[in-house]
Amino acid sequence: QSALTQPASVSGSPGQSITISCTGTSSDVGSYNLVSWYQQHPGKAPKLMIYEGSKRPSGVSNRFSGSKSGNTASLTISGLQAEDEADYYCCSYAGSSTPVVFGGGTKLTVL
Amino acid sequence: QLQLQESGPGLVKPSETLSLTCTVSGGSISSSSYYWGWIRQPPGKGLEWIGSIYYSGSTYYNPSLKSRVTISVDTSKNQFSLKLSSVTAADTAVYYCARRNYYDSSMDVWGQGTTVTVSS
Repeated sequence: QSALTQPASVSGSPGQSITISCTGTSSDVGSYNLVSWYQQHPGKAPKLMIYEGSKRPSGVSNRFSGSKSGNTASLTISGLQAEDEADYYCCSYAGSSTPVVFGGGTKLTVL
Repeated sequence: QLQLQESGPGLVKPSETLSLTCTVSGGSISSSSYYWGWIRQPPGKGLEWIGSIYYSGSTYYNPSLKSRVTISVDTSKNQFSLKLSSVTAADTAVYYCARRNYYDSSMDVWGQGTTVTVSS
């Protein structure tokens, strides 16, 4: 099972919006609305930010939103803040035999 | 509040077996709503899913690691474990345990992670 494809890095200024893409295939992202997104600060465990493509867990800022079109999922962060600087990983369900596949990760820099 | 805690040796010799345990507190590992899994992260690299287990004992492994991985569950101790055999330096990583939702596949609770170094 190949990893999902994410850009290595994105950047934005405080207050701006950025979008991180996550491209999979018809066997994972394209077949299931089960994409999740994780935020990871250096030295910390990942934190769930989005599940089922667009739902936010309790406590996650509404500045974070998710969407999907075809085989590509996207994470948008609006009103960028310094604390958003972190690595972001997408993850998709990929069927019962290999249920989890991660993207390679995207480093977000807040300028 | 559910918490997960990894434990095990921080140093393993090449060709030996890496063994880690994840202890679940504040909730039951026997819940039908969750899988329990392992994810690793080599230094400076991304996340890699290793595998998951259901409380019934059903297991799911990353095909790239399947021949070397065993995940087991001990419901009496509220723990699940990882064994990775024939390790090499490439298995050096931070190993995380996590809870995965049965219905939406998201991983909503993670352990803090434990660093395992493979070196002689």
